[in-house]
Amino acid sequence: GDSVTQMEGPVTLSEEAFLTINCTYTATGYPSLFWYVQYPGEGLQLLLKATKADDKGSNKGFEATYRKETTSFHLEKGSVQVSDSAVYFCALRQNQGGKLIFGQGTELSVKP
Amino acid sequence: KAGVTQTPRYLIKTRGQQVTLSCSPISGHRSVSWYQQTPGQGLQFLFEYFSETQRNKGNFPGRFSGRQFSNSRSEMNVSTLELGDSALYLCASSDQTVLNTEAFFGQGTRLTVV
Repeated sequence: GDSVTQMEGPVTLSEEAFLTINCTYTATGYPSLFWYVQYPGEGLQLLLKATKADDKGSNKGFEATYRKETTSFHLEKGSVQVSDSAVYFCALRQNQGGKLIFGQGTELSVKP
Repeated sequence: KAGVTQTPRYLIKTRGQQVTLSCSPISGHRSVSWYQQTPGQGLQFLFEYFSETQRNKGNFPGRFSGRQFSNSRSEMNVSTLELGDSALYLCASSDQTVLNTEAFFGQGTRLTVV
């Protein structure tokens, strides 16, 4: 079945460092891909999305490109802030329906 | 527009009891999905309802059930609670009339089974 694999955390970075969180997926066809972020005690918030190959999603300085050839959707940010400390989830959705398949999540901690 | 509202935020139940969680979607959203989040298993899909019909179901035992009302509000029920059911239960709603729509999540209900 479909699945998503993320790099394991926790990831600890200094403020203004470059961030990469790797995400690869296994799926038939052309799923939509998402990055969600979860702050402590909160639900999930959509960070960015891409719905077809070579699409680049971006938001709040974060970017991810849908790479069909490598089945990847890596999350990047050029300069992280303390406020970016959270858990990040990569997810796919196979069709217009509501079912999301999530990776295991990557905890990011940014130190001043 | 109000966001997705889940009630209650916290619950403590005893093994063997049953529990009902509620989710009010964003106004106009007809799709509601439920997820279970645990440290060991991560985020797992429970089921999705659309226009009062269950459209998709995850791999959970029959003790987990749900329903959706005509106003799109949804409830999920867990019967005969087990310690392993302790988790954060998240509800998400989406507007299925919009292509490539995103899912909006509530803050969740933290269920503790003792």
